[in-house]
Formats: sequence, structure tokens, C-alpha cells
Amino acid sequence: ILNVEQSPQSLHVQEGDSTNFTCSFPSSNFYALHWYRWETAKSPEALFVMTLNGDEKKKGQISATLNTKEGYSYLYIKGSQPEDSATYLCAPQAAGNKLTFGGGTRVLVKP
Amino acid sequence: NAGVTQTPKFRILKIGQSMTLQCTQDMNHNYMYWYRQDPGMGLKLIYYSVGAGITDKGEVPNGYNVSRSTTEDFPLRLELAAPSQTSVYFCASSYPPGSYEQYFGPGTRLTVT
Repeated sequence: ILNVEQSPQSLHVQEGDSTNFTCSFPSSNFYALHWYRWETAKSPEALFVMTLNGDEKKKGQISATLNTKEGYSYLYIKGSQPEDSATYLCAPQAAGNKLTFGGGTRVLVKP
Repeated sequence: NAGVTQTPKFRILKIGQSMTLQCTQDMNHNYMYWYRQDPGMGLKLIYYSVGAGITDKGEVPNGYNVSRSTTEDFPLRLELAAPSQTSVYFCASSYPPGSYEQYFGPGTRLTVT
């Protein structure tokens, strides 16, 4: 069982501000790193799947970086909007496309 | 495509009762998964399947059973419900092999009292 840590557990951001948070995971037996966005009362939706060390992905104002050697990934939100409020989950992928999810970072963007 | 569908949406069970949570996907995905949402702990993998007729245990399989007779369906069975199984259950599927995103169903909220 992998130990996947996300920090912080929650954060409040003023609308228009930028923020970032971390996912740490064991770097051995690594296939890929997934990020999911999970809005309240909905189901998780994939943001990024990252496989290569140094990989960077971007979707709108949300981007992510990956360091497989040291076992961490950062997710950045630039110019946060209220609709960015959600829980962001990271999950390293093992063989068989099995994911181990972290506890998530809950982001609340205040207007 | 409807994607991943789950039934029922809500259910209340008494301790010791049994039930089956249904999951169906119409994307022709071979890989399917069952997760439970534990507060503050994210999602925990219960069981998964890499194709019809093949299932395997995840992190928290105790108290659950699965079957995979078709590509589309992956039901989760609770035989003797316990309060510790109160949770939100999500079914997901993905396109194999490789590093593909998982598509989640809307979830089933189960309360065992």
C-alpha cells in the first residue's frame, strides 16, 4: 500500500489570487501520476495524467509539474475563480492501472 | 454515451442485510474499479477488474464481493452489512493498457444502521 500525502489538507484563496499545493508519493514502482478534480456532490473528474520526470501539463489556468525522482507533484491554480473551488486528488498509478489516492486538498475560493 | 452509471443513488440498510450495488459502463473499457470514500482519506480501492471474468482485491476488500461476467457490468455485493460500510461508493472504468484516466460514476451513498 503506497503512502500518498497531500498538503495542505485545505486552503482558502481570495478570488484572483494564485495558489499551489503538493502531492508526495513513493518514487519506486512508478507508472504515472494522476490529478483529479472533485466538486461537492459530484464525481471525480480527471485533470492530468503525467508520466515523465519533469513533465508539465496545463488546462486553462490550472497546471501541474512532476518530479518522479524525488516523488512529488505540484498543482498550480493561477488567478483562482470561485468555480475552482473543489477537492483536488492526486493518485500515483501502479501496475494494472491501479490508483492509490491521497486524502486531497480542499480549495475554497472566496469571492 | 452515458459513461459510467450506478444504481441505486441512495440506500439505507440494516445491519446484517445484503445488497448489490450496480455499475455499468458503455465505453467498452476493459478495466473497472470500485472505490469507497472514507472521510479525510480520499478514495480507497475495494476491488478491480482487468476484463470479463477477471477480478482482484484492492486495499479494502473485506466484506465485499464482485463479479465481472460482461465487459459492461461490474456489480459490488455486500453480504452482511456492517456500520463500518457506511460510505459513498464510486465505480470507475478506464481504457487499458497504459496511463489512462479513470472515468467515475455518480456514486451510491450507503448508510448501514
